[in-house]
Amino acid sequence: EPEVTQTPSHQVTQMGQEVILRCVPISNHLYFYWYRQILGQKVEFLVSFYNNEISEKSEIFDDQFSVERPDGSNFTLKIRSTKLEDSAMYFCASSEGGWVHSNYGYTFGSGTRLTVV
Amino acid sequence: GQNIDQPTEMTATEGAIVQINCTYQTSGFNGLFWYQQHAGEAPTFLSYNVLDGLEEKGRFSSFLSRSKGYSYLLLKELQMKDSASYLCAVHYGNNRLAFGKGNQVVVIP
Repeated sequence: EPEVTQTPSHQVTQMGQEVILRCVPISNHLYFYWYRQILGQKVEFLVSFYNNEISEKSEIFDDQFSVERPDGSNFTLKIRSTKLEDSAMYFCASSEGGWVHSNYGYTFGSGTRLTVV
Repeated sequence: GQNIDQPTEMTATEGAIVQINCTYQTSGFNGLFWYQQHAGEAPTFLSYNVLDGLEEKGRFSSFLSRSKGYSYLLLKELQMKDSASYLCAVHYGNNRLAFGKGNQVVVIP
């Protein structure tokens, strides 16, 4: 079964540093997403991306965050000047189309656990 | 804003049936997902309801009432591996999900 791959699985960074979280979506999927889950809390939408541009973003996704599809396979989330409250599990997801295929939904990657110290 | 409510935890016995409820109040509604999430892992897709009614898929069934803002997930013939958090998520807007906090189901022998 196709998978969304995320690297690294764990990252520890110092407050104020920049981090890049990497994702390889499923190859025939066209829509890509980032979600995050702070420990013990609900999964929260950050951003959706289609056709090389952001299609929607939440209020969490401020100027500190950016996304990029640098080549035909990778999709990255960059966090500039990390803060303690950025510590969370970050999930990448992809879907076939904008109106989700009801049989498969979004496929989530296994996540990157980011710890800011 | 988006408001999705789920009970936080329930315990059930192996082989039993358990129903997990979700109520929602959202600005915009395309459909409703149920995901399973084991601790420290990614959510995995269980079901997606767009229209009112019951969708059955093996041991899992999901029900939606759009007029009542209500859904439930039914798990039959519970197995130990079903111990997980079950997330209700409303699909709204262009293409985004609003999740509930999840219902932790603990299956005991």
